[in-house]
Amino acid sequence: NAGVTQTPKFRVLKTGQSMTLLCAQDMNHEYMYWYRQDPGMGLRLIHYSVGEGTTAKGEVPDGYNVSRLKKQNFLLGLESAAPSQTSVYFCASRHRSAYNEQFFGPGTRLTVL
Amino acid sequence: AQSVAQPEDQVNVAEGNPLTVKCTYSVSGNPYLFWYVQYPNRGLQFLLKYITGDNLVKGSYGFEAEFNKSQTSFHLKKPSALVSDSALYFCAVRTTYNTDKLIFGTGTRLQVFP
Repeated sequence: NAGVTQTPKFRVLKTGQSMTLLCAQDMNHEYMYWYRQDPGMGLRLIHYSVGEGTTAKGEVPDGYNVSRLKKQNFLLGLESAAPSQTSVYFCASRHRSAYNEQFFGPGTRLTVL
Repeated sequence: AQSVAQPEDQVNVAEGNPLTVKCTYSVSGNPYLFWYVQYPNRGLQFLLKYITGDNLVKGSYGFEAEFNKSQTSFHLKKPSALVSDSALYFCAVRTTYNTDKLIFGTGTRLQVFP
């Protein structure tokens, strides 16, 4: 099993450009999450999904959109990138049981100039 | 508001000495508590969790954590630190009132010196 994979690993954008980050998992997990990690702030939840076709806002959703058209994929979109969105983005997934831990991808390092 | 606190930004310990990384929480309902480790340029890896039962939980790489309900704490411990344990450690909590999301602490950097 590949677990949770993220594409791309690195990206540099100019202010105003758009992009989509792809997260894929092969563990048949119902729940998927997008986080951003910034120094001294830990992980902050952007959006999450509890199943195919459903999404919900997290702690810091502004400036981001998501889609979960297939159970194994969770896409994070930036329509008009801003320097404040420079961060490391992590995707995670887990089985629906509340007892289960999340499995994380390797991250995407995004720089917005 | 529900929250997790990791009061130390960094913990320094000599190799072979015991280590403790502190975590306290404030939630409504019964907590499900987790510890994760992050090595440089990697994603988070699950270490251990407390759901119910025995207050001392054992996890990966020789780590353990003690759940203390009266002190609302879930400190991570290891009897003998290794240089390879140097990493960023995150405490996280999920509650029975909202099982969808994890609340993460800000992380503690553990530095083990030879």
